[in-house]
Amino acid sequence: DADVTQTPRNRITKTGKRIMLECSQTKGHDRMYWYRQDPGLGLRLIYYSFDVKDINKGEISDGYSVSRQAQAKFSLSLESAIPNQTALYFCATSDGSKETQYFGPGTRLLVL
Amino acid sequence: DQQVKQNSPSLSVQEGRISILNCDYTNSMFDYFLWYKKYPAEGPTFLISISSIKDKNEDGRFTVFLNKSAKHLSLHIVPSQPGDSAVYFCAASGSGGSNYKLTFGKGTLLTVNP
Repeated sequence: DADVTQTPRNRITKTGKRIMLECSQTKGHDRMYWYRQDPGLGLRLIYYSFDVKDINKGEISDGYSVSRQAQAKFSLSLESAIPNQTALYFCATSDGSKETQYFGPGTRLLVL
Repeated sequence: DQQVKQNSPSLSVQEGRISILNCDYTNSMFDYFLWYKKYPAEGPTFLISISSIKDKNEDGRFTVFLNKSAKHLSLHIVPSQPGDSAVYFCAASGSGGSNYKLTFGKGTLLTVNP
C-alpha cells in the first residue's frame, strides 16, 4: 500500500464550485504539505502543517484553505474554484528531522 | 525571482552514457539540496540529497556535486538507462527556521534513448 494517498486522482469541476482534495498518510509523519504544479513552473507550496494544531500559509495560498483533521489527514479546499486553479496538486509529508519530503501520486484538477 | 533554476528544460542521452543535469541557486541561505524524479501520472520521488557541508554525495549510479562558491549543483547518472527517463526536479532548503520549505526548480525532462 502507498504511504501517501490522495483522493480523488482526477477531478473536473465548474467555476464557482467548492471542492475538497484529500490526503492521507501512513508514514507517521507530523509534517504535511500541499503543492501545486503547473506546466513549466515546478512545484509551489500552498499550505503546510507541522501538527494538528499548526497550519501555515505557503507562497500561493490565496483561494485555498486547509484542514488538518488528524496527524494522518490533511485536506485542501478550493472555496470557489476558478479556471486558473487548473493544475496538478500534490500532498507531501516529512518527519521534521530532515528536509526530505515524500509525495503522494497527485490529483489532476480541471476547472471549467 | 526564481531562487532555484534549472536552465535546461530537456536533455537527451544515449543508453549507457552519462547524464548530467544542472541546477543553479541564488539564495545563499540554502544549505540542503535534493533531487527528485517524477514519472508521468506519479508524484515526485526522492532520489538523492546533499548537505552544504559536503561537495559530493554518491548513491549507486547517482552522484550529486555541489559547488557552493558558484551556487551550482549537478546530478550525474552513470550509466544512464531507459528507465531513468523522467522529469528531474532540483530542490533547496534553508536553515534558520525555514527548513520546512523546499524551493523547487522548474524541472528537466531527461530522455534516455535505447
